[in-house]
Amino acid sequence: AQSVTQPDIHITVSEGASLELRCNYSYGATPYLFWYVQSPGQGLQLLLKYFSGDTLVQGIKGFEAEFKRSQSSFNLRKPSVHWSDAAEYFCAVSNQAGTALIFGKGTTLSVSS
Amino acid sequence: DVKVTQSSRYLVKRTGEKVFLECVQDMDHENMFWYRQDPGLGLRLIYFSYDVKMKEKGDIPEGYSVSREKKERFSLILESASTNQTSMYLCASSLAQGGNQPQHFGDGTRLSIL
Repeated sequence: AQSVTQPDIHITVSEGASLELRCNYSYGATPYLFWYVQSPGQGLQLLLKYFSGDTLVQGIKGFEAEFKRSQSSFNLRKPSVHWSDAAEYFCAVSNQAGTALIFGKGTTLSVSS
Repeated sequence: DVKVTQSSRYLVKRTGEKVFLECVQDMDHENMFWYRQDPGLGLRLIYFSYDVKMKEKGDIPEGYSVSREKKERFSLILESASTNQTSMYLCASSLAQGGNQPQHFGDGTRLSIL
């Protein structure tokens, strides 16, 4: 069965420091992977997606993610965090048909000054 | 840009009431979805629809029904609201072109059942 694990429930990073949010997935075939961000009281916004090709994908707001098949991981990174990045981040994997999106339980990012 | 609009940001209803949550998308997407989001449980799929009048149960359909009479509109119905249905409800839509199509989300409806 498909599943997504985000091992870190909550992370605090200093403003200007680098960020890495971890995501591990379980899926039999080539996965379609997504990262979403949710600001308080808002819906989910797509940051980036991976489904084939270059394993390093660029997204919006300066985020990038690297797909590592051998580690079943799709970690999200940002070189320098801004206070406005404080939010909840969700990793998700889709089935082949696009009719089921399985989410991790999310990682809450706090940014300290 | 895709726009998914949920009719209410906040809603307060009473136990036993019939509750309607409405969602409209403006990008001619075939797929539409309803999720609920609860702290510590993440997002869970209630129902999805892949065409007008077509629907499939998700992971937690009990206590809910859905209606899709027009392609752009997908309604979630709580037949008899209960306090355990207090939650954040998120609607999403996507193109029916496979798993590489991202889902686009509305801003959510925070529903409280008293």
